[in-house]
Amino acid sequence: DTGVSQDPRHKITKRGQNVTFRCDPISEHNRLYWYRQTLGQGPEFLTYFQNEAQLEKSRLLSDRFSAERPKGSFSTLEIQRTEQGDSAMYLCASSLSRSSGNTIYFGEGSWLTVV
Amino acid sequence: GEDVEQSLFLSVREGDSSVINCTYTDSSSTYLYWYKQEPGAGLQLLTYIFSNMDMKQDQRLTVLLNKKDKHLSLRIADTQTGDSAIYFCAEIPYGNNRLAFGKGNQVVVIP
Repeated sequence: DTGVSQDPRHKITKRGQNVTFRCDPISEHNRLYWYRQTLGQGPEFLTYFQNEAQLEKSRLLSDRFSAERPKGSFSTLEIQRTEQGDSAMYLCASSLSRSSGNTIYFGEGSWLTVV
Repeated sequence: GEDVEQSLFLSVREGDSSVINCTYTDSSSTYLYWYKQEPGAGLQLLTYIFSNMDMKQDQRLTVLLNKKDKHLSLRIADTQTGDSAIYFCAEIPYGNNRLAFGKGNQVVVIP
């Protein structure tokens, strides 16, 4: 079992550019989550999918953010026209909705620095 | 509400016990979780407790839950240098399918 995998691990981009992060969940996990974490804070929920359906989006997810999970497996998070305030770690997590405790497992995160 | 509160910093000597505290506000949360985050890394699920339990022990970890006071604690026995990290408690509020986190508690283990 390879765990939740995220790519790239680090990304430096210029303000105004678009960036895309990819997440591969644990095999057979039907739920996939995106969180954002800034320094000194706990992770903040952005959105989650059950299979390919995006079931919930936080109000933190502005129009410049879009997430997809087209085949119910991997997911992408795209940020358009990046701003310096987007600098953060973007965490992906997955879970199996039928599992005891609804245990949610996180990847290693993708660091974004907008300069 | 979903506010989860944690104290910020704990320094402990190697071999001693550490206790990290957390207060949550949603009394309907079914499960409560402890995650560990090492510098620059993602979150590692340490343990979780079902809301109808008072205590759960898992090797060096003991979780205590006081539902009346909405208080959750994590005790780490025989703290090791590898336990130095930020510890987050989290809950899944009733009616939600997502975790709400506190700000975390940094634990520094002194050799």
